Amino acid sequence: NAGVTQTPKFRVLKTGQSMTLLCAQDMNHEYMYWYRQDPGMGLRLIHYSVGEGTTAKGEVPDGYNVSRLKKQNFLLGLESAAPSQTSVYFCASRQQGAGTEAFFGQGTRLTVV
Amino acid sequence: DQQVKQNSPSLSVQEGRISILNCDYTNSMFDYFLWYKKYPAEGPTFLISISSIKDKNEDGRFTVFLNKSAKHLSLHIVPSQPGDSAVYFCAAMGRGADGLTFGKGTHLIIQP
Repeated sequence: NAGVTQTPKFRVLKTGQSMTLLCAQDMNHEYMYWYRQDPGMGLRLIHYSVGEGTTAKGEVPDGYNVSRLKKQNFLLGLESAAPSQTSVYFCASRQQGAGTEAFFGQGTRLTVV
Repeated sequence: DQQVKQNSPSLSVQEGRISILNCDYTNSMFDYFLWYKKYPAEGPTFLISISSIKDKNEDGRFTVFLNKSAKHLSLHIVPSQPGDSAVYFCAAMGRGADGLTFGKGTHLIIQP
């Protein structure tokens, strides 16, 4: 079982460059999430989706865009990367319903120089 | 303003003893509380959860206690093992789909 897979695992970007992080899940989950983790900050929610074709803003959405064209995929885009976006990004998914646990990918370490 | 707080950045416990990790929350709308374990360079993995209508949930060596009036929960690990050394995150969510709110984590170190 692959679970939640993130691509790429590592990336270095120059300020102003753009990129897309891909998240794929094979558990047929309705809900998908993008988080970022910074030292001493825990995980903070960037954007989320409650189903194919839907997206919503989380706690720290500025500078990011997302799309959910297929149920199994959730894309996170950075249009013009900034050093403040240097972070570890985690994708997660969970089943529809109250209290279901989220399953996380292995993370993408992004450095913006 | 932090809605989920883990006030101990690190905790050191001897192997075989009990580890107690604490978490406080401020949002009364939270209905579910979860603990995640994270090793370096890996994603968080789910450990145990509790609904707000319960005060205790047990799964093997792991027990979570919830004190709703104090807005406090704790994770007990008995006995502690070397493989338990990791960062533990407390997380909370409501009944909807809008994701988990995480604490900053506690780094648990199990000493031989």
